[in-house]
Amino acid sequence: EAGVAQSPRYKIIEKRQSVAFWCNPISGHATLYWYQQILGQGPKLLIQFQNNGVVDDSQLPKDRFSAERLKGVDSTLKIQPAKLEDSAVYLCASSLRLNEQFFGPGTRLTVL
Amino acid sequence: DQQVKQNSPSLSVQEGRISILNCDYTNSMFDYFLWYKKYPAEGPTFLISISSIKDKNEDGRFTVFLNKSAKHLSLHIVPSQPGDSAVYFCAACYGGSQGNLIFGKGTKLSVKP
Repeated sequence: EAGVAQSPRYKIIEKRQSVAFWCNPISGHATLYWYQQILGQGPKLLIQFQNNGVVDDSQLPKDRFSAERLKGVDSTLKIQPAKLEDSAVYLCASSLRLNEQFFGPGTRLTVL
Repeated sequence: DQQVKQNSPSLSVQEGRISILNCDYTNSMFDYFLWYKKYPAEGPTFLISISSIKDKNEDGRFTVFLNKSAKHLSLHIVPSQPGDSAVYFCAACYGGSQGNLIFGKGTKLSVKP
């Protein structure tokens, strides 16, 4: 069974630029999560989708971050414009059942 | 305010000995706890979990203990192996949270041959 795929694996941008990350969840997993992991911290949930509907986006900085999950499968997370403090690893996870989340390898973003 | 705390940033143990990783939580609504293991440049992988109706769950070399009155859980690895060297994250959630996991900051375990 293929795992959660994410791309790109690494991205370096300058502040005020925009960036997008892509996630392909495990086939059949209805729930998809985006997490932000800042160096030295645990992952923090940004947004959770159930199929293509948003379940929880309470911690998503909506002035600069947006996410979508078209057709209930792939998802993209966008930051526009990026700030220095957005430097982090962005993790995508998917689950078939609650409490069983499978994580992708993450995208490491560096904002200069 | 951190709801899940891992107060030890790092732990070093000798191969073959026991590793004990600790986790404290503050939210009494949490009813499900998980441990994830993370290698560099990889995403976290699920290791073991425990429901609040239990006080112990065992899976091979890994055992998780839950003390609800103290709001404390621990992960025991016996015997420790060099391949266990990784960052271990404690996470918690509750029934109404739609699986929204709250993670601790992690503990880096180093197992020396």
